[in-house]
Amino acid sequence: AQSVSQHNHHVILSEAASLELGCNYSYGGTVNLFWYVQYPGQHLQLLLKYFSGDPLVKGIKGFEAEFIKSKFSFNLRKPSVQWSDTAEYFCAVNAINDYKLSFGAGTTVTVRA
Amino acid sequence: DAGVTQSPTHLIKTRGQHVTLRCSPISGHKSVSWYQQVLGQGPQFIFQYYEKEERGRGNFPDRFSARQFPNYSSELNVNALLLGDSALYLCASIRLAGASNEQFFGPGTRLTVL
Repeated sequence: AQSVSQHNHHVILSEAASLELGCNYSYGGTVNLFWYVQYPGQHLQLLLKYFSGDPLVKGIKGFEAEFIKSKFSFNLRKPSVQWSDTAEYFCAVNAINDYKLSFGAGTTVTVRA
Repeated sequence: DAGVTQSPTHLIKTRGQHVTLRCSPISGHKSVSWYQQVLGQGPQFIFQYYEKEERGRGNFPDRFSARQFPNYSSELNVNALLLGDSALYLCASIRLAGASNEQFFGPGTRLTVL
């Protein structure tokens, strides 16, 4: 079974600061990787995904993530955050051909204006 | 194009009662999954259904059951409610694409057990 670990529980930043959220997973096989975002009062939305190919993936709203297979990591980055990026961020993984998503505990990001 | 819909939005029950939660997937999607999200944690997988058949089950007791209907909508049932069942219940509509499946989440049903 897969497990997902997110390094930070709560991150507080000022606008224009850079953001990096860590995510590590444990699973020996091939996986699909996802970052979801949950804005206050809204439902989970897909931020970006990795299935195969280029390990650097770009998502919506200027976010990107890098898959490092040797480190079992899929870290999320944004060069310059905005107040509207205040949200909870979840890393998720599933084995290919398996529909069960395993989520990390989430990281709450607060961006101060 | 409608997204995933769930009903009701909020629900308050007492211990021992039964609850039914409903989900309609995105048009054209034939598979749904259910997740439980307890406050402060990530969603936990409960069930996955495809073409009315259960295809996966998470580590939840038999008090939890689900079904999928011919129109691909789904119900999640929880019997003998416990305080610990208080959570946000999420339904995900799955776009099947071989090894590269995507899950689109609904707004959830907030269940409070008193």
